[in-house]
Amino acid sequence: GAVVSQHPSWVICKSGTSVKIECRSLDFQATTMFWYRQFPKQSLMLMATSNEGSKATYEQGVEKDKFLINHASLTLSTLTVTSAHPEDSSFYICSAVRLGTGPNYGYTFGSGTRLTVV
Amino acid sequence: SQQGEEDPQALSIQEGENATMNCSYKTSINNLQWYRQNSGRGLVHLILIRSNEREKHSGRLRVTLDTSKKSSSLLITASRAADTASYFCATVTNTGNQFYFGTGTSLTVIP
Repeated sequence: GAVVSQHPSWVICKSGTSVKIECRSLDFQATTMFWYRQFPKQSLMLMATSNEGSKATYEQGVEKDKFLINHASLTLSTLTVTSAHPEDSSFYICSAVRLGTGPNYGYTFGSGTRLTVV
Repeated sequence: SQQGEEDPQALSIQEGENATMNCSYKTSINNLQWYRQNSGRGLVHLILIRSNEREKHSGRLRVTLDTSKKSSSLLITASRAADTASYFCATVTNTGNQFYFGTGTSLTVIP
């Protein structure tokens, strides 16, 4: 159990276009999902916390108008990179917190999305 | 930055040897977790240690936590080539559900 599906696994887009990444909890409901980005050979940087039915909470330095997050249901959160530029090329990973659990549980991660902006 | 630090950044050992990685963090925590990431892939949860625990074991893994020093260590015993991966610690703060990753240790186990 506790599977998080992330789609697409990789995407190449032209500069100036928008890209949507989906994060789904397949066998559990998730009140909270997190979005991270990871540059090559670096750690994961928390971008935002996505709560079902409310606005996402963004970390300092993350542009909320550029990285749009929607958490419309208990099983789906989406991250849209708007007007993508080459510097947005990165590995984006989501994780989900199972409904009814809290910080004393391990979080389940998606397999990540490799975004390349050309 | 909330990010913790890990050392060493890279570690190369022979199969069968033990590997030790250290993590230091900055804030008060609810718990600390260790994750593994194979190159270009998602993360796999390895073990969680609560702030009131000092040591925890899971198979070949041993984790320690010293909240007074704000540090943790991960020991992998009898390493295998398949243990080659990056290992990250992540701290969960007392103030919320956010958690922040350390800088990571790249482990290479040579067959």
